[in-house]
Amino acid sequence: EAQVTQNPRYLITVTGKKLTVTCSQNMNHEYMSWYRQDPGLGLRQIYYSMNVEVTDKGDVPEGYKVSRKEKRNFPLILESPSPNQTSLYFCASSLAGATTYEQYFGPGTRLTVT
Amino acid sequence: GESVGLHLPTLSVQEGDNSIINCAYSNSASDYFIWYKQESGKGPQFIIDIRSNMDKRQGQRVTVLLNKTVKHLSLQIAATQPGDSAVYFCAENTPLVFGKGTRLSVIA
Repeated sequence: EAQVTQNPRYLITVTGKKLTVTCSQNMNHEYMSWYRQDPGLGLRQIYYSMNVEVTDKGDVPEGYKVSRKEKRNFPLILESPSPNQTSLYFCASSLAGATTYEQYFGPGTRLTVT
Repeated sequence: GESVGLHLPTLSVQEGDNSIINCAYSNSASDYFIWYKQESGKGPQFIIDIRSNMDKRQGQRVTVLLNKTVKHLSLQIAATQPGDSAVYFCAENTPLVFGKGTRLSVIA
């Protein structure tokens, strides 16, 4: 089954404790992206990757890091999480770019930083 | 269920009726638009897309209309079913921006 998987689905952590949210897709998509979704706001892009070893900042990259060492994986790293990073996070992938093709989204990771 | 957006515009329709969800986009340079459906506790799911060289595109029970003059998109769902209950949002591509969404509730 074609899908985007994320882990963990739920995470509660404390300020400053490094964490990684994994994302994997099995559709051989070139493009992958991370978003956060907050009440009253639309999806906001954190980082995206057009291909292996190519990553770019989205609209809200501060406090986040990503890497794209393999085509299928695109982990999101919070080196020192803060309470304002409490949010619902989605990973997505697309054939060749979110501005020309539809994206396939993962099930989401709900992060709470206390 | 999970709240994906507080104070969202809400549309309530009777089962079997047609639904129309509207979206205004911001940039006349956008040339690709998508509608997504997000059910409670799930990630957004692609419904239908349209490119700017078209005014209308039809899928299974869904139709998207694009009015470039007024920068407006609409999603029409025919014979709305309880399974259509979700938040629907549009996206434009220049830049990549997602709308806040409309919550569709289907009354059985």
